[in-house]
Amino acid sequence: DQQVKQNSPSLSVQEGRISILNCDYTNSMFDYFLWYKKYPAEGPTFLISISSIKDKNEDGRFTVFLNKSAKHLSLHIVPSQPGDSAVYFCAARKGGSQGNLIFGKGTKLSVKP
Amino acid sequence: KAGVTQTPRYLIKTRGQQVTLSCSPISGHRSVSWYQQTPGQGLQFLFEYFSETQRNKGNFPGRFSGRQFSNSRSEMNVSTLELGDSALYLCASSLPGGARETQYFGPGTRLLVL
Repeated sequence: DQQVKQNSPSLSVQEGRISILNCDYTNSMFDYFLWYKKYPAEGPTFLISISSIKDKNEDGRFTVFLNKSAKHLSLHIVPSQPGDSAVYFCAARKGGSQGNLIFGKGTKLSVKP
Repeated sequence: KAGVTQTPRYLIKTRGQQVTLSCSPISGHRSVSWYQQTPGQGLQFLFEYFSETQRNKGNFPGRFSGRQFSNSRSEMNVSTLELGDSALYLCASSLPGGARETQYFGPGTRLLVL
């Protein structure tokens, strides 16, 4: 039973355009969401997070949107750069649950020059 | 500030053996979590330690165990290795900030079981 789903295994975008990565979840107990980026042979790197009391959080080129009624979140990268090419993981945590992140299976983003 | 470090980075073992992986968290971080990453299952939570106590546990068999020391360093052990245990094992550390804490990952230990 996959509680966090990233339905697009891959995404290809032109440099300078917007990248939109999507994530759906099923558990309404999740109240904190994070996005990580992962390069091959490295551990995931934290990008941005959002709590369920917000619907948007912005950090530089990265913006995360949360739609609680649809149980959907998305990560927008504007403008996309070739260095953004990596696997992006969406993760969620239940309220009051320390340490246990539930991850999606990732979306591989390729940004073409 | 140094990041999360994991040793060894690569390991080859045979079925039936046991293995111990080590993780040193970011200075000041007291919570350490372990995850297994495989191509088929993605990143799956193993367990989390805080103040030398296991606080959370994922759905893995008892062959997977861990511990945390007083300096917050953590080890995980896998006994009676199986071929399916071949994976990237990731350690993540965080401040004890409750459910809104951010976890920071180490580079992982790549385990190959032959």
